[in-house]
Amino acid sequence: DVLMTQSPSSLSASVGDRVTMTCRASQDMNSHLNWYQQKPGKAPKLLISAASILQSGVPSRFSASGSGTDFTLTITGLQPEDFATYYCQQSFSAPFAFGPGTKVDV
Amino acid sequence: QVQLQESGPGLLKPSETLSLTCTVSGGSIRHYSYYWTWIRQTPGKGLEWIGYIYYSGNALYSPSLKSRVTMSIDVSASQFSLTLSSVTATDTALYYCARGVVTGTGYSLDYWGRGTPVTVSS
Repeated sequence: DVLMTQSPSSLSASVGDRVTMTCRASQDMNSHLNWYQQKPGKAPKLLISAASILQSGVPSRFSASGSGTDFTLTITGLQPEDFATYYCQQSFSAPFAFGPGTKVDV
Repeated sequence: QVQLQESGPGLLKPSETLSLTCTVSGGSIRHYSYYWTWIRQTPGKGLEWIGYIYYSGNALYSPSLKSRVTMSIDVSASQFSLTLSSVTATDTALYYCARGVVTGTGYSLDYWGRGTPVTVSS
């Protein structure tokens, strides 16, 4: 199975900050990596698929990159509604595991 | 707008069988690109992919749960279901259904239900 790790597990930031988090896979996944945002009491929301494809309706302050085993998600100009937990998910091979998440808080 | 809604009992005793249903509205369940997926979430293990089922009835399960999981689909009712046998306290979680979409760039979960809590306790 592909194992996913994320770092940091949490970070503190302020509105307007540029925030970067990473996701690492235990094996080469090419670009088969998704990013989700989850707010308390809500289901995860798909932000980015295929490592860098921004989903429709997702603000352009979100960007992502990477391939192989190392991936990053960046939020440029953090907004109050961006305080949440962010998960990566590998879509390379079943079981399609999620990372443990990075919590972005104040 | 596609919507998914989970339903099923929220409290089970150890060794019982969990049965959940997801009702899909606002879109067709019969689509070649969609893989109807179950995920669960716990504070300890985070998000765990359980498996998915295709409209044809073909399913793929996580190896860690494969011996206890069965998924089914009723296209006419726009529903798909999860059955998990011999539950224990470790199956206590928030269970989500979601629409998996497969494109040329891979598989992702673009629509999710709100989740339904399941507690296993004697």
